[in-house]
Amino acid sequence: AQTVTQSQPEMSVQEAETVTLSCTYDTSESDYYLFWYKQPPSRQMILVIRQEAYKQQNATENRFSVNFQKAAKSFSLKISDSQLGDAAMYFCAYSGGGADGLTFGKGTHLIIQP
Amino acid sequence: GAVVSQHPSWVICKSGTSVKIECRSLDFQATTMFWYRQFPKQSLMLMATSNEGSKATYEQGVEKDKFLINHASLTLSTLTVTSAHPEDSSFYICSACLGVNTEAFFGQGTRLTVV
Repeated sequence: AQTVTQSQPEMSVQEAETVTLSCTYDTSESDYYLFWYKQPPSRQMILVIRQEAYKQQNATENRFSVNFQKAAKSFSLKISDSQLGDAAMYFCAYSGGGADGLTFGKGTHLIIQP
Repeated sequence: GAVVSQHPSWVICKSGTSVKIECRSLDFQATTMFWYRQFPKQSLMLMATSNEGSKATYEQGVEKDKFLINHASLTLSTLTVTSAHPEDSSFYICSACLGVNTEAFFGQGTRLTVV
């Protein structure tokens, strides 16, 4: 079974600074998908960024980028120029693709200090 | 992006009663929907995969007779918590994908409290 590990229960960063959230995973598959989801206090799950394992290039979405290290099974999220609205729970997730559901990590609570 | 609507947003029910939660894909058809459960300050745990026109696939440890899933159309999946007990109190979230290997869109979740 696949597992996703987020080792940082909570992270704090000053507004406008950069923060990196860690995620590692375990799988025996070669093709899969990795995601970072944001869950604000409203509890609505919002997709932040997605990475296909077959792509070597790291995904980027505006201020959000990932460092995908397939051999190390690592998938960290970097948030640049942190904003107050970035404060939320961040979940790393894995999918084997097809009709697979998501396997989530335990989450990281991100605090933005004004 | 695509919209998934979940109803109700919150519900309080008495122990022993059943509660139905609806998950609708508003602007797309979803042959597969997923149901998750989230306890306070914890992560989302996949409960089951709902397949249109066929039986749901449940994750290990999830009681299929307790959590009845029906996916009667391409835009609607329902989760019925039967004979609910206080330990069933939780946040239930559904999701749906536009297609195979595409982004999952989530409903806004349902907070169930069993008293």
